[in-house]
This record gives sequence, C-alpha cells and structure tokens, in this order.
Amino acid sequence: SQQGEEDPQALSIQEGENATMNCSYKTSINNLQWYRQNSGRGLVHLILIRSNEREKHSGRLRVTLDTSKKSSSLLITASRAADTASYFCATDAIGGSNYKLTFGKGTLLTVNP
Amino acid sequence: DAGVTQSPTHLIKTRGQQVTLRCSPKSGHDTVSWYQQALGQGPQFIFQYYEEEERQRGNFPDRFSGHQFPNYSSELNVNALLLGDSALYLCASSPIRLAGMGDTQYFGPGTRLTVL
Repeated sequence: SQQGEEDPQALSIQEGENATMNCSYKTSINNLQWYRQNSGRGLVHLILIRSNEREKHSGRLRVTLDTSKKSSSLLITASRAADTASYFCATDAIGGSNYKLTFGKGTLLTVNP
Repeated sequence: DAGVTQSPTHLIKTRGQQVTLRCSPKSGHDTVSWYQQALGQGPQFIFQYYEEEERQRGNFPDRFSGHQFPNYSSELNVNALLLGDSALYLCASSPIRLAGMGDTQYFGPGTRLTVL
C-alpha cells in the first residue's frame, strides 16, 4: 500500500519558475526522502530529511518536513528543462526497517523551455 | 566507482513462465532491496536481503523469491508469471547502519518485464 501521497499529480511550469511539490504520509517516520525518476528509469536520490529536522537545502532544492501534519514539501527553484521528471517522496516507518521505503505515486513535473 | 547495476534491461515473457532478474550493489554496500513499479505508480517494496538472508518482505506472494550471494549480488525470481507482473523491477542497495539512522538507497536502472 502507498504510504505517501504527492500533490499535485502533475505540474507544468515555465523554465525559470519555481516548482513546489507536496507529500503527505500516514504513519510516524524516521526519515523522509525525495527521489527523481526520468521516463521510467531508475530513481535518483535527491535529499533525505530526518524526523527531527524541519528544513534542508541542497543546491536548488529546499525540503521542509512538518511531522505534526505528517507532510513534506519539495521546492525546486529556478527550474530548468532538465528538471522534467517524476518526483517521489519515500518514508521509512518508526519500528520498521530503515531500508523498507514506502513511496507515494509521484508528481510528474514538466518544465517547458 | 560503479553504481547499482541490473540485468537484463528488458525482458519479455509469457504467462506461466519463470524469470530471474539480477542485481549488483554499489561498491561497499551489503544490503539489497527489490521493488516493483507498475506503470504510473510508485515503487512497491518486495523484499530485502542482508547476509544472504531475507530480512523483511512486503505484501507479495510466494511466487516472488530471491537470493543473495556472498559477493552481495542478488537475484529476484518470479514463478508462474501473470499479466499483472508486468512492471519495472528496481534494485536498491545501501550500507548497513545503526537502527534509526536511516540512509540513502541507491537504485539501479531497473529491468522492464513485460508478460504477454
């Protein structure tokens, strides 16, 4: 079963704009990670945020985590056409294996040149 | 430093057949997890191998089985294939960490299985 739900399911923006994707999950977690997937290929790890962290940055990426609302957001600033991909959040649950990731259905981001 | 590799890239089988998919983890990683990703969905956890044993299993039938070798590489076997087994099968590797630390899983490019 899917733990997380990404919102929106699809997002289309112009190059240079910012893209924000949201993720909600159901159970308490240890960590939340964001991955990118290009055209049904392998997943590329973007960023990991631990349950005791509220915000994390990596280059043009900014991730926030609100454990009280069981939600996270991924912000991509100054988007590029190469950012076009599906984005997934993945969680590992407290009391479970660190390596059993539960994914949402993803947000399909299209960045138009 | 080679990342996670998987073979084959694509595979076409017919219903009832059996299939074996292979995965080599990233150098320095000893834990391998397998995921199934149906079209338009997120990956679903199948199982995880560490020290040549299945440590945890997702909600998949016994038709799905696996193996891990002493060099940490792994195989996923699926018997009695069904049309619904058509999917992208992803392998991910990670190093062992203390419980609660969590770590990044590195994914391979996947094997696209089509069952006709």
